Amino acid sequence: DQQVKQNSPSLSVQEGRISILNCDYTNSMFDYFLWYKKYPAEGPTFLISISSIKDKNEDGRFTVFLNKSAKHLSLHIVPSQPGDSAVYFCAASGGSTSGTYKYIFGTGTRLKVLA
Amino acid sequence: GAGVSQSPRYKVAKRGQDVALRCDPISGHVSLFWYQQALGQGPEFLTYFQNEAQLDKSGLPSDRFFAERPEGSVSTLKIQRTQQEDSAVYLCASGASSYNSPLHFGNGTRLTVT
Repeated sequence: DQQVKQNSPSLSVQEGRISILNCDYTNSMFDYFLWYKKYPAEGPTFLISISSIKDKNEDGRFTVFLNKSAKHLSLHIVPSQPGDSAVYFCAASGGSTSGTYKYIFGTGTRLKVLA
Repeated sequence: GAGVSQSPRYKVAKRGQDVALRCDPISGHVSLFWYQQALGQGPEFLTYFQNEAQLDKSGLPSDRFFAERPEGSVSTLKIQRTQQEDSAVYLCASGASSYNSPLHFGNGTRLTVT
């Protein structure tokens, strides 16, 4: 049972445009969500997170939106740059509500930003 | 460096050999996780430590897998009698607090079992 799903395996976007990466989850106990970026042969790098008490969090070019009723989150990158080309993973945790501290990851979306 | 350090970066083992993978977390980090990542997949949870206590080992695939963090800092993931299906990247991550804090990952150990 895949509790965190990223249904788009890949996405191509023109440089300077917006990239939107999507993630759905099934467990209503999740209350903390994160996005990671991964380059080949490196570990995932933390990008941005959001707590379930908020519906939006911004950090520079990166914004995460959370829609709890739809159990959906998205990552917006504006403007997209060629260096953003990587695999993006969303992750979720239910630590503070359920005592379950494990972070569950999606299968990733490969973003390619075209120059 | 200030990040999570894993060694070795690459390990080739013959089927049936035992291997030990090391993780040096960020100093002072309370939580430590081990994940397994197969090609084209997301990281899959293996086990979780809060300081030296192993609070969750539900993701360990078999009793051939064993993890420890005896002093609440460095951790070792041991795989006994390796099998081909154990081939994967093993990622270690640490976090500053017990929950709702970002995990910081090492670059992983790529294990190939021949």
